[in-house]
Amino acid sequence: RKEVEQDPGPFNVPEGATVAFNCTYSNSASQSFFWYRQDCRKEPKLLMSVYSSGNEDGRFTAQLNRASQYISLLIRDSKLSDSATYLCVVNADTGGFKTIFGAGTRLFVKA
Amino acid sequence: DGGITQSPKYLFRKEGQNVTLSCEQNLNHDAMYWYRQDPGQGLRLIYYSQIVNDFQKGDIAEGYSVSREKKESFPLTVTSAQKNPTAFYLCASKVPWQDEQFFGPGTRLTVL
Repeated sequence: RKEVEQDPGPFNVPEGATVAFNCTYSNSASQSFFWYRQDCRKEPKLLMSVYSSGNEDGRFTAQLNRASQYISLLIRDSKLSDSATYLCVVNADTGGFKTIFGAGTRLFVKA
Repeated sequence: DGGITQSPKYLFRKEGQNVTLSCEQNLNHDAMYWYRQDPGQGLRLIYYSQIVNDFQKGDIAEGYSVSREKKESFPLTVTSAQKNPTAFYLCASKVPWQDEQFFGPGTRLTVL
């Protein structure tokens, strides 16, 4: 079993759609959780951190379920510019030196 | 502007040659990392360094070497011992009290 697993997609959605990405992690001792966005042939960039209480940033909502070892990202009212690969990232220690990146979920938003 | 730079953006080398990838940061970050990304896969950690003159092997260190003589610089050498070196190489850095890693633009290495 991979340490961080994501649905590879691709997800093809029309503009304005709501899309949800799921991620599971295997290490119950994991400390912190993130979603990164990676555009084609570019470096990953932090989209948002994920907290047990859930957090929202505009059209993006992230949730963490520690009991189920599950992380989600919801994108509402999708824009063409949301087309990218979304990486689920898990830190297994407080120092951040045991950082595991998921393989990513590819999203295509079409007009 | 503060940030991480990697050079070159694209690099072509013949099989059997060693090649060094540059990574420089002016963010005053203590920790620096090297990752490798292959198509359809997540980033895999090659080496990391928490402080100057110290570095640790990551999950796939075989065939790679690094140095950390200055806080700002963390070059990666891909040696001829690396069996499949063609990949996208990403350098990152962070401060100890934050979990977010900041990435450079990457170097795409192709070995012919």
